[in-house]
Amino acid sequence: GDSVTQMEGPVTLSEEACLTINCTYTATGYPSLFWYVQYPGEGLQLLLKATKADDKGSNKGFEATYRKETTSFHLEKGSVQVSDSAVYFCALSQGAQKLVFGQGTRLTINP
Amino acid sequence: DAGVIQSPRHEVTEMGQEVTLRCKPISGHNSLFWYRQTMMRGLELLIYFNNNVPIDDSGMPEDRFSAKMPNASFSTLKIQPSEPRDSAVYFCASTLGQIGETQYFGPGTRLLVL
Repeated sequence: GDSVTQMEGPVTLSEEACLTINCTYTATGYPSLFWYVQYPGEGLQLLLKATKADDKGSNKGFEATYRKETTSFHLEKGSVQVSDSAVYFCALSQGAQKLVFGQGTRLTINP
Repeated sequence: DAGVIQSPRHEVTEMGQEVTLRCKPISGHNSLFWYRQTMMRGLELLIYFNNNVPIDDSGMPEDRFSAKMPNASFSTLKIQPSEPRDSAVYFCASTLGQIGETQYFGPGTRLLVL
């Protein structure tokens, strides 16, 4: 079945460092891809998404490009802030509306 | 606009008791999802509804768990009897129901079964 594999965490960076969180997927068709973020004590919220190959999703300085040839959707940010500390989930949906989530990557940014 | 509303936000109960979690989806959304989040197992889909009809309940762990959606604006997840291993954060999410649409999550219910 469909699956999502994320970079193992936790990840700890200093403020203004560059961030990459790797995400690869396995799916038989052409899924839509998502990054969700969960701040402490809150539910998940959409960070960005891409619905077809070569699309780039972007929001709040974060970017991810849908790469069909490598089945990847890596999350990147050029300069992280303390407020970016959260858990990040990569996910896909295909056909049915349900999401298949990766295991989540906890990110901590130190000032 | 109000987002997805869940109640209660926190629940502490004793093993064997019945627990009912409630969810009000965003108005106009026609798909609703129940998830469970634990440190050990991560985020798991329990069940989802489309137009108030259960579509996939393969994630419901056992018969002690049941979910209903009597109308488009309300859903419940019930655990009877509850066990300590049910302790988790339970999230409800809703969406317009089109492929590729964003799911909007509620704040979750943190359940502790003693």
